Amino acid sequence: GNSVTQMEGPVTLSEEAFLTINCTYTATGYPSLFWYVQYPGEGLQLLLKATKADDKGSNKGFEATYRKETTSFHLEKGSVQVSDSAVYFCALSPPGEKLTFGTGTRLTIIP
Amino acid sequence: NAGVTQTPKFRVLKTGQSMTLLCAQDMNHEYMYWYRQDPGMGLRLIHYSVGEGTTAKGEVPDGYNVSRLKKQNFLLGLESAAPSQTSVYFCASSYSFQWLFGQGTRLTVV
Repeated sequence: GNSVTQMEGPVTLSEEAFLTINCTYTATGYPSLFWYVQYPGEGLQLLLKATKADDKGSNKGFEATYRKETTSFHLEKGSVQVSDSAVYFCALSPPGEKLTFGTGTRLTIIP
Repeated sequence: NAGVTQTPKFRVLKTGQSMTLLCAQDMNHEYMYWYRQDPGMGLRLIHYSVGEGTTAKGEVPDGYNVSRLKKQNFLLGLESAAPSQTSVYFCASSYSFQWLFGQGTRLTVV
């Protein structure tokens, strides 16, 4: 079956630090990969996505590259801000199928 | 505003009570979903629908029922609420690779 394994949190970083949140997956076929963000008290928002191998998704300074050979989709940001504090979810969706989520990683950025 | 709207946003139920959560989308999406979010477990799929009049079980369907009588609405029902159903519930709709989520319903069963 499909599954997503995410780096366990919580993660606490200082402002302007480099961020990596690891995500690996198991799936049949060729899934699309996603990162969603959930700010405190809010719903899920799509942060970025990649639909095929070697694609790089990017948004708001965050990036993730679809690595088929390592079945990974790690989230990175070069310089985090306090406003990036949120819960981040990695997810996958094979074509025509439902989203499968990782357990989420809570990120806290301290000034 | 186009999107996915969930009602209510908050609810407290007593054990054994019933309720229905409503999800409405105005994007003409075929696929709709109900997830529950619990600490340390991410989002788990309860039920989903691939079109009007269809429903299917997800990962954690027990204790819930759903209906999709109209394409734009997907209802999640709890017939006899239990404390284990205390959670945040998210509805979503999708088309191709585009997914949109509602703001969530925080349900507490006491």
